[in-house]
Amino acid sequence: DIQMTQSPSSLSASVGDRVTITCRASQSISRYLNWYQQMPGKAPNLLIYAASSLQSGVPSRFSGSGAGTDFTLTISSLQPEDFATYYCQQTSTTPWTFGQGTTVEIK
Amino acid sequence: EVQLVESGGGLVQPGRSLRVSCTTSGFTFGDYPMSWVRQAPGKGLQWVGFIRTKGYGEKAEYAASVKGRFTISRDDSKSIAYLQMNSLKTEDTAVYYCTRTVPTIFAFDHWGQGALVTVSS
Repeated sequence: DIQMTQSPSSLSASVGDRVTITCRASQSISRYLNWYQQMPGKAPNLLIYAASSLQSGVPSRFSGSGAGTDFTLTISSLQPEDFATYYCQQTSTTPWTFGQGTTVEIK
Repeated sequence: EVQLVESGGGLVQPGRSLRVSCTTSGFTFGDYPMSWVRQAPGKGLQWVGFIRTKGYGEKAEYAASVKGRFTISRDDSKSIAYLQMNSLKTEDTAVYYCTRTVPTIFAFDHWGQGALVTVSS
């Protein structure tokens, strides 16, 4: 199985900060990498697909990059509604696997 | 508007069975693979499995932890996906989400609200 490792597991940041979350795959997954945001008690929401494509309706402050084994999710200017848990997911090979999640908290 | 609504969750004893349904609307159901994802209390997301479209033989694939116990099926005439769970274990306790899956890239672009399944004696 392909292991997905996110870092950090959690971070504290302030409104307006630039935030970067990384995701590393245990083997190459090309660009089959998606990012999701999950608010407490809610279903996840797709932010980025295919490593860098912004899902319709998602604010442009979210961006993704990377290919192969190393990927990043960047929030250019953190907003109050962005405090949540973020997950990466590979869909290169089944079983599709998620990272363990990164919780973004208010500093 | 795309909508996915799970139903059929609840409390079940270990070893018993349960079926969760995912009723959809707002899109051409038969054009999309459908996936199931679960989340144990306080834990992260775990992919359970997915089913391809009729054009790909409705073939399903599963996570190792549920293979042989869980079955995913679909009824395109009703726009419903099903997750049949047999021989349930306490570690299957989770919120189960159905998701619409984008063909080729397999991103999960729409999610249901989730159905809580509690396996306990």
